[in-house]
Amino acid sequence: AQSVTQLGSHVSVSEGALVLLRCNYSSSVSVYLFWYVQYPNQGLQLLLKYTSAATLVKGINGFEAEFKKSETSFHLTKPSAHMSDAAEYFCAVNGNNDMRFGAGTRLTVKP
Amino acid sequence: GAVVSQHPSRVICKSGTSVKIECRSLDFQATTMFWYRQFPKQSLMLMATSNEGSKATYEQGVEKDKFLINHASLTLSTLTVTSAHPEDSSFYICSAIGTDWNTEAFFGQGTRLTVV
Repeated sequence: AQSVTQLGSHVSVSEGALVLLRCNYSSSVSVYLFWYVQYPNQGLQLLLKYTSAATLVKGINGFEAEFKKSETSFHLTKPSAHMSDAAEYFCAVNGNNDMRFGAGTRLTVKP
Repeated sequence: GAVVSQHPSRVICKSGTSVKIECRSLDFQATTMFWYRQFPKQSLMLMATSNEGSKATYEQGVEKDKFLINHASLTLSTLTVTSAHPEDSSFYICSAIGTDWNTEAFFGQGTRLTVV
């Protein structure tokens, strides 16, 4: 089975600052990787996904992530944080239709 | 993207009663559906994986007799919480993967269950 580790359960940045949310995974099979965002009492919305095409993936709302196989990482970044980015972010890995989530990182954006 | 509809979005029930949550794929055929449980400020915990026409595969520690999952068609899966207790109160989320979307799971909006 796959597993996902998100470093940092809580990240706080100032508005306009760089956002970096870390994700590492482990798997014995080829995987697809995802970042989802969750707002309070809502389901999950896909931000972006890696599906073995380009290693640098651009998503919605200005987010992007880079797949680094040698580091088994898929960190999420955004050059300039906005107040509306405050939410819970989940990294997920899908291998052989077995989807697993990281523990989540709560992003707080300070004015 | 594809749409997954989960119903109800919020339900309150009395202890000892059963509650059914529906998860529907509206515009694609979902060969695999996942049911997750989420406690406040925590991640999603996979409860079970169901394939259409087959018995669900439950994760370790999840009581299959308490959380009944049915995936009778390619567009509908149901989760029934039987004899609910207050500790079953939680946020339940379903997701679905289809034959044409076999790399990405689409999520329902979740169901907030409160057992009183």
